[in-house]
Amino acid sequence: DGGITQSPKYLFRKEGQNVTLSCEQNLNHDAMYWYRQDPGQGLRLIYYSQIVNDFQKGDIAEGYSVSREKKESFPLTVTSAQKNPTAFYLCASSRAFPGSDYGYTFGSGTRLTVV
Amino acid sequence: GQQLNQSPQSMFIQEGEDVSMNCTSSSIFNTWLWYKQDPGEGPVLLIALYKAGELTSNGRLTAQFGITRKDSFLNISASIPSDVGIYFCAGGSGNTGKLIFGQGTTLQVKP
Repeated sequence: DGGITQSPKYLFRKEGQNVTLSCEQNLNHDAMYWYRQDPGQGLRLIYYSQIVNDFQKGDIAEGYSVSREKKESFPLTVTSAQKNPTAFYLCASSRAFPGSDYGYTFGSGTRLTVV
Repeated sequence: GQQLNQSPQSMFIQEGEDVSMNCTSSSIFNTWLWYKQDPGEGPVLLIALYKAGELTSNGRLTAQFGITRKDSFLNISASIPSDVGIYFCAGGSGNTGKLIFGQGTTLQVKP
């Protein structure tokens, strides 16, 4: 079955370390997105990519970086510059851009805890 | 920027009761979507609305796209324990190409 896979489910890192979250989809979707979720704050867009080798900053891109070398993959790196990285991170994909016409398919999330 | 106001923030109801939640915005949207998120999982699309005034049902769920294109509501009839979770509305404008999400309504159902 087609889907979007995020790994790992839980991630613990020491303060000051960079960490990369994986997101892979086999839905043949063109667009991919990264969201951050904090309690009571809904979903905030970090980065998005419409096509391979292209991506744009979302609303809270500072302290994060992404790459889109393959259509299927959109990894997110949380750098040491991110002041408050502990959160639940969600990856999503959509058939085309704008994905608002089709809806997004979400992964099951990665919970990052920085100690 | 565009924002969605989703209410209520949380609901605690008895099994069998009906539930209603809504989203409003000062901006016009071309698409309204409703998602449900189970604890520790990603949101799953419940209903998508594409036309002003559209009323769509999916089992016990009913959602409507407001005539003004600035609001939408979701109703759940005869709630059951597995309805527990966070419900998000999302609006798509087409211009920005991105979905704008509400802050979510947390639903708890008492058996």
